[in-house]
Amino acid sequence: DVKVTQSSRYLVKRTGEKVFLECVQDMDHENMFWYRQDPGLGLRLIYFSYDVKMKEKGDIPEGYSVSREKKERFSLILESASTNQTSMYLCASSLNVRGTEAFFGQGTRLTVV
Amino acid sequence: GENVEQHPSTLSVQEGDSAVIKCTYSDSASNYFPWYKQELGKGPQLIIDIRSNVGEKKDQRIAVTLNKTAKHFSLHITETQPEDSAVYFCAATASGGSYIPTFGRGTSLIVHP
Repeated sequence: DVKVTQSSRYLVKRTGEKVFLECVQDMDHENMFWYRQDPGLGLRLIYFSYDVKMKEKGDIPEGYSVSREKKERFSLILESASTNQTSMYLCASSLNVRGTEAFFGQGTRLTVV
Repeated sequence: GENVEQHPSTLSVQEGDSAVIKCTYSDSASNYFPWYKQELGKGPQLIIDIRSNVGEKKDQRIAVTLNKTAKHFSLHITETQPEDSAVYFCAATASGGSYIPTFGRGTSLIVHP
C-alpha cells in the first residue's frame, strides 16, 4: 500500500520557535509538495520539490523554508513560528509525469501559541 | 498561473438525493482534472479523475464531466449515502512544467440520513 507519512498528527509550539515538519514517501516519487489547509481557503501550495535538493516557491512561501536531502523525505521549516501559521499542513507526492494523482499524508495540525 | 474556482462551498442533501459540485479553471493548457475526497481527520484521497481528451467518466455512483470549451468540470454523486459526507476538492493540472495541481477551495458535502 502506497504511503505518505507525516511525522506528527498534532503539534503545539510557542511563538518564535523553529518548527520542523517531516514527510516521508515510499513510492519513489520525484515530486513532493507542502500545502496549507485553512477553512474556506482550500489547499494552498507553500513549496514543492521536483528532485533532491531542488525546490520551488509556491503561492504562500513567506515564513517557510524546505529541505530535500533525500528523494523520499521533504521537510517544511517554520523559521520563527507565529500565531498566523496555526493551520493544518498537508504533504503530498506524485510522479513527475503528465496526468498523475497526488498522494497525501494524513496532515499535521499545528497550533502556535 | 492556474486559477480554479469551486462551488458551492457547502452542500446539504438528503440521503438518496444527487449532489453536484462545479469547478471552473483558467489555464487552457490544463489537461488533467482529479477530484479528491477528504474525510474527517484524513488527508485528501483521489476518487475519480478525467483527462482533457474525454468528456465524461463514470465509476459506480460518481461521475465527472468536462467541458473544455467552457473550461468547466463537474462531479456528480448519485444516490448519496451518509458515508459520502466529506470535503471534496477539484484540481487542475497543466501539461507543462512539474505537473503541479491547483486546487479549488473545497465543498463540504453533508448527507442527512
